[in-house]
Amino acid sequence: DTEVTQTPKHLVMGMTNKKSLKCEQHMGHRAMYWYKQKAKKPPELMFVYSYEKLSINESVPSRFSPECPNSSLLNLHLHALQPEDSALYLCASSLAGAQDEKLFFGSGTQLSVL
Amino acid sequence: EDQVTQSPEALRLQEGESSSLNCSYTVSGLRGLFWYRQDPGKGPEFLFTLYSAGEEKEKERLKATLTKKESFLHITAPKPEDSATYLCAVHLHRSNSGNTPLVFGKGTRLSVIA
Repeated sequence: DTEVTQTPKHLVMGMTNKKSLKCEQHMGHRAMYWYKQKAKKPPELMFVYSYEKLSINESVPSRFSPECPNSSLLNLHLHALQPEDSALYLCASSLAGAQDEKLFFGSGTQLSVL
Repeated sequence: EDQVTQSPEALRLQEGESSSLNCSYTVSGLRGLFWYRQDPGKGPEFLFTLYSAGEEKEKERLKATLTKKESFLHITAPKPEDSATYLCAVHLHRSNSGNTPLVFGKGTRLSVIA
């Protein structure tokens, strides 16, 4: 199994809603990532978890709250988002988080904030 | 300042018309340059990792090369199914935090016309 699975594929939410994005991998990877991608722009790193501990937070607003319940799961909790937060949210994983490792990406969650 | 720059921004080719995409970088202590392919609405798909100047890797119609300042992705006799955005990425060293997140260039949008 070389897949990173993200749910849901599409999400529409209001600015007062609370929702969560989910990501799962069963490759035994110990590093997991959240990226945000706006249309026709490259992915931008948001968070990195290494061995279930948050190792990088790229100054992301607190309305985005990551969680790594175990080595296979990664969540992104969303609360009080703004319309400009509408984007494709990508989850990725790698073996251990070393610099020479390739990342495996999921297909993403397309988020629209109304 | 560490950075990665891709050119051209967009490229339109006739089927069978070979060409090259460029990724130039200014990174201290390169620990790998990565090429990914991304189809619309999907996550990036890993293609190659290059570690040292002079290294080359091939996969079907794609060949990636690396020098001390840039990488090229050569596409030989492309087909319409090669149409996608091609992204290169490097780890950037953050001296103030010690973090080295994987950062993507802006990508080249390739269209291959039958």
